[in-house]
Amino acid sequence: QQQVKQSPQSLIVQKGGISIINCAYENTAFDYFPWYQQFPGKGPALLIAIRPDVSEKKEGRFTISFNKSAKQFSLHIMDSQPGDSATYFCAASMVNYQLIWGAGTKLIIKP
Amino acid sequence: NAGVTQTPKFRILKIGQSMTLQCTQDMNHNYMYWYRQDPGMGLKLIYYSVGAGITDKGEVPNGYNVSRSTTEDFPLRLELAAPSQTSVYFCASSSEGFGNQPQHFGDGTRLSIL
Repeated sequence: QQQVKQSPQSLIVQKGGISIINCAYENTAFDYFPWYQQFPGKGPALLIAIRPDVSEKKEGRFTISFNKSAKQFSLHIMDSQPGDSATYFCAASMVNYQLIWGAGTKLIIKP
Repeated sequence: NAGVTQTPKFRILKIGQSMTLQCTQDMNHNYMYWYRQDPGMGLKLIYYSVGAGITDKGEVPNGYNVSRSTTEDFPLRLELAAPSQTSVYFCASSSEGFGNQPQHFGDGTRLSIL
């Protein structure tokens, strides 16, 4: 019940296209859903996060869509650029509970 | 601003050897974490600390030990290294715990046990 399932495992998108990564969770007590971006040889860095009181959060070209009833959330990258090529992790947590991480999605943006 | 610094960046150990992975942060964060990252598995929490002198186990603590004598430093100790401990280890810190504030990560230590 503490898993976060992330898909796809890898994704290739043409430059200028939309990249979509999906995550599903089971524990309805989770109330914090961050996305982290990781470049090769570096640690993850927070990209964007959402709490379940809103259905969507947008920061520049990055948008989180949240579906509380379906227990799913997704990351959309609009106008994808080669510099967006990285591994993306979703995660879920609640107050005083550890982050539960998805397995990661390796995104490649083709020029 | 250095953030979270981990040393060494790479290390090869023989089975049965021991070593300490160093982690220091300069953001005055109370919360610090150790994760391991295995291919296709996401990050697993090994140990965490909510402040100097206070540590607790995470999801995968077996084979590891930690200490937190200062706010800045949070070393991870491997005793009797085993091949299953081959992984990339990340240290992170945050101003508040887990679900409230972003975690800031170091660049990792890549460890191979042969």
